[in-house]
Amino acid sequence: QKEVEQNSGPLSVPEGAIASLNCTYSDRGSQSFFWYRQYSGKSPELIMFIYSNGDKEDGRFTAQLNKASQYVSLLIRDSQPSDSATYLCAVNMFDRGSTLGRLYFGRGTQLTVWP
Amino acid sequence: DGGITQSPKYLFRKEGQNVTLSCEQNLNHDAMYWYRQDPGQGLRLIYYSQIVNDFQKGDIAEGYSVSREKKESFPLTVTSAQKNPTAFYLCASTGEETQYFGPGTRLLVL
Repeated sequence: QKEVEQNSGPLSVPEGAIASLNCTYSDRGSQSFFWYRQYSGKSPELIMFIYSNGDKEDGRFTAQLNKASQYVSLLIRDSQPSDSATYLCAVNMFDRGSTLGRLYFGRGTQLTVWP
Repeated sequence: DGGITQSPKYLFRKEGQNVTLSCEQNLNHDAMYWYRQDPGQGLRLIYYSQIVNDFQKGDIAEGYSVSREKKESFPLTVTSAQKNPTAFYLCASTGEETQYFGPGTRLLVL
């Protein structure tokens, strides 16, 4: 059974703080990992993707990947009220017998940044 | 502008009625997907298509049907067999291993 687990939250942080979002996944062979942001009533939008162990930074966002621990995280520095949304973790995994991967999504972590 | 369009934004279904949700992309992506999202839930895969004239069932295909006659288009039909169709439906396409989403269609039952 392919699984992607996230803390459902809600996670609440003050403006200017660092928000830390975590995700674990079941398939040790997974190679690509994605973070999406979803505002209420809207569709998910891609924030970050990461393929290699370590950190990847893009502006205020940092994705961290540890394949040995099957763990991926997203850090948001200097959090702003506009960052308040649900953050979805997605992992590319292969179904049995398939040569083409597909994304499996976690249920999302709801983040609230208060002024 | 390149992107994924879905229509309509809202759709109302009567009992026993089949309805079709439209998804079009001009990104020249080969792979397209349909997801269903219920309140407080993650995305569940309904159907996906890697190439024209071919598609595979996802995790919750019962009560749904799709076609892929053109690379740009991947319509989803919610049949009368789907007893609980109320949800937010998202179409996506994948290019260079990255998946992008359309704006979604919200389906409600009258």
